[in-house]
Amino acid sequence: QAHLVQSGPEVRKPGASVKVSCKTSGYSFATYIITWVRQAPGQGLEWMGYVNPYSGNANYVESLQGRVTMTTDTSTKTAYLDLRNLTSGDTAVYYCARGLSTEWFDFWGQGTLVTVS
Amino acid sequence: AIQLTQSPPSLSAFVGDRVTITCRASQAISNALAWYQQTPGKPPKVLISDASTLESGVPSRFSGGGSGTYFTLSISSLQPEDFATYYCQQFYSFPRTFGQGTRVEVK
Repeated sequence: QAHLVQSGPEVRKPGASVKVSCKTSGYSFATYIITWVRQAPGQGLEWMGYVNPYSGNANYVESLQGRVTMTTDTSTKTAYLDLRNLTSGDTAVYYCARGLSTEWFDFWGQGTLVTVS
Repeated sequence: AIQLTQSPPSLSAFVGDRVTITCRASQAISNALAWYQQTPGKPPKVLISDASTLESGVPSRFSGGGSGTYFTLSISSLQPEDFATYYCQQFYSFPRTFGQGTRVEVK
């Protein structure tokens, strides 16, 4: 059974950066795409982009281009989300999720709350 | 980006009721749609992929239908554990997008 375990909550000031980790186990890391989705308090789900652990290729939503980087470390089977120049609008729970492709997502991390204040 | 509009935004129902949620896409997306269930404080859980394929372990009371621009998620007999928020998500094109959610509450 796949498991995705994310790093703990973070508090940052506006203009700062945050890096969230997503440590995986129970499956072949390079075979599945890692997608990042965020959810502002009381709001819906927002797709942020994905990274392919096999190739290292990433694709981001246009609204975050230039502020976001998604990477993976195949030696530790961990994915990372790096978000820079934070604003209060980035306050959200950030989820990593696994998918056999970029289409839909079958296992999710528990979420990481990032507060920008 | 493709917009997904769910209706209703929320509904109240009794245990045992049949419930149907709709999801309309701003353009045709074939059957490139998934449905998720989310309870408070938890990550989403995929229920259905490819508009109508029930994912492993999901109870058969859940069913999905539709294609093109109109999709439905139905729960044949609502159970206590089904009170949650449901989201549709399209994977026809990038960026992937979600509907705004439908909250199913106890009546």
